[in-house]
Amino acid sequence: KNEVEQSPQNLTAQEGEFITINCSYSVGISALHWLQQHPGGGIVSLFMLSSGKKKHGRLIATINIQEKHSSLHITASHPRDSAVYICAVLMDSNYQLIWGAGTKLIIKP
Amino acid sequence: EADIYQTPRYLVIGTGKKITLECSQTMGHDKMYWYQQDPGMELHLIHYSYGVNSTEKGDLSSESTVSRIRTEHFPLTLESARPSHTSQYLCASSPGTSLTGELFFGEGSRLTVL
Repeated sequence: KNEVEQSPQNLTAQEGEFITINCSYSVGISALHWLQQHPGGGIVSLFMLSSGKKKHGRLIATINIQEKHSSLHITASHPRDSAVYICAVLMDSNYQLIWGAGTKLIIKP
Repeated sequence: EADIYQTPRYLVIGTGKKITLECSQTMGHDKMYWYQQDPGMELHLIHYSYGVNSTEKGDLSSESTVSRIRTEHFPLTLESARPSHTSQYLCASSPGTSLTGELFFGEGSRLTVL
């Protein structure tokens, strides 16, 4: 069993739909990262959070430390949101990052 | 906009060649990382550095080496490239002395070894 699991693995939706990507982890963490990787490989950090909720534009990230679960939401999705979204957790025991396998999101016009 | 740069972006070379992938950041970050990523797969840490003259191997065995002579520069070298080294290599940095800093990534170097 992976220590960080994302779901779904692949998601295709229509433009305008509300998107939710989930991340569950089984280790104690200091922080959780959500990152976006576009075709071509570049990675952009979207959020880093250790509690509660953060919002940036149409993106919202939440984390529930007790349930060891985080969600990334995209409101009013757009084709340019098509990318791989990656969850990574920073372990509180050794400060190593453990990466999820990513969720490939495709938004159709 | 992150100020972290990788060169080359794409490289195709023959087996046995020595290569160096460059990574530079202008943000004064102490912590820098090299990740390897195969298509559709997760990132694997191959090297990291918490400051000048500090380098450590990551959790993925790698035949590469790194150096950190200057804060802004963290090159990765393969002494003798093999087809198994074909992959994407991503460099990242994060600020401050806290281990929970935000990550900034370069655009990646896609290496093909024939």
